[in-house]
Amino acid sequence: NAGVTQTPKFQVLKTGQSMTLQCAQDMNHEYMSWYRQDPGMGLRLIHYSVGAGITDQGEVPNGYNVSRSTTEDFPLRLLSAAPSQTSVYFCASRVDGLGLVGELFFGEGSRLTVL
Amino acid sequence: RKEVEQDPGPFNVPEGATVAFNCTYSNSASQSFFWYRQDCRKEPKLLMSVYSSGNEDGRFTAQLNRASQYISLLIRDSKLSDSATYLCVVGPRIKNRDDKIIFGKGTRLHILP
Repeated sequence: NAGVTQTPKFQVLKTGQSMTLQCAQDMNHEYMSWYRQDPGMGLRLIHYSVGAGITDQGEVPNGYNVSRSTTEDFPLRLLSAAPSQTSVYFCASRVDGLGLVGELFFGEGSRLTVL
Repeated sequence: RKEVEQDPGPFNVPEGATVAFNCTYSNSASQSFFWYRQDCRKEPKLLMSVYSSGNEDGRFTAQLNRASQYISLLIRDSKLSDSATYLCVVGPRIKNRDDKIIFGKGTRLHILP
């Protein structure tokens, strides 16, 4: 059972380059999300999706795009990388029940450095 | 008041001791409460969900105090392997599936041999 798979694990970009972080889950979870984690800031929500074809902005969406064409995949696109986007990115999926938030399952993270 | 607040630590605790963390939250409508554990350079993983009656899992006990709006985590007989960052997570009752859970910044725990 793979769970949540993120690629790449490490990436170095130059300012202005674009790239896509891939995220896939095999648990049939409707809810998927992207977080970034910076020292002293905790986990901050970038974008999330409650199902295929539905996406919404989180706390820090600027500079990022997402799409959700299938239940399994939720890629995060950096449109024009900036040094402020140097961070560790986590994709997570979740299944909810009885009206309450359920457990988040995280990928192993993608460490991005923008020079 | 910040939405979810934790003492960042670090808590330096000798092996075998008992340690407790608190986490306060500002939204009184919150309904979902969790403790996640994050090892250095790893992804967060669920440690415990926190139920209104309190719950225990081996050496770990979590409690919820709705009146004072805090949750707590107690670790008894601490092990070296308990060294990690503990994240407090608070969420709403889901309405229309449009919800956001809030992570605390974490409390660092170092267990000393």
